[in-house]
Amino acid sequence: GEDVEQSLFLSVREGDSSVINCTYTDSSSTYLYWYKQEPGAGLQLLTYIFSNMDMKQDQRLTVLLNKKDKHLSLRIADTQTGDSAIYFCAESMGSDFNKFYFGSGTKLNVKP
Amino acid sequence: NAGVTQTPKFRVLKTGQSMTLLCAQDMNHEYMYWYRQDPGMGLRLIHYSVGEGTTAKGEVPDGYNVSRLKKQNFLLGLESAAPSQTSVYFCASRDREGQPQHFGDGTRLSIL
Repeated sequence: GEDVEQSLFLSVREGDSSVINCTYTDSSSTYLYWYKQEPGAGLQLLTYIFSNMDMKQDQRLTVLLNKKDKHLSLRIADTQTGDSAIYFCAESMGSDFNKFYFGSGTKLNVKP
Repeated sequence: NAGVTQTPKFRVLKTGQSMTLLCAQDMNHEYMYWYRQDPGMGLRLIHYSVGEGTTAKGEVPDGYNVSRLKKQNFLLGLESAAPSQTSVYFCASRDREGQPQHFGDGTRLSIL
């Protein structure tokens, strides 16, 4: 499968901004997604971006896409303790929309 | 809002036993997926379906079978469970190409 890479851990203080990074390998990726997983729960879609976009903002969330470097980031403004979770980025392939590839997840720890 | 419902939520099996995991969605989605999630890894696609009566292999299909007899249900079967199949299994569905997947809360399966 395709490689989707994320750092494993991120720790921030409450009120700070968090930036979670993701790199992918397939330049034909069409959609890129960010999901949040809380303990014992399934994956909750946070936001997604079409590959012809550079940025998407949704309340406290900002997604940046650098297609040249195949780099995706999720910025969470004013991070709260309730944001503590594992965050997954995923890509769907331009060649086969049914194939989704997920990163290993970044565990965000928000300290009060 | 039910969304995607998985049953059971937990199960312990002995090696060699068989069982079926059920996924039901009430959103009239065409596409359905089964993933497994293992520690330190992202989600890996086991099988998927692009419509009623269809199934296809994903990244890690060995040891599993699936059926999609009704549009709203996608069943995952383990014919002869092995300890390597101990995992958390997630079902997901989506409406059409490019749209994000909606996930169930998972089934935690332990095989002794």
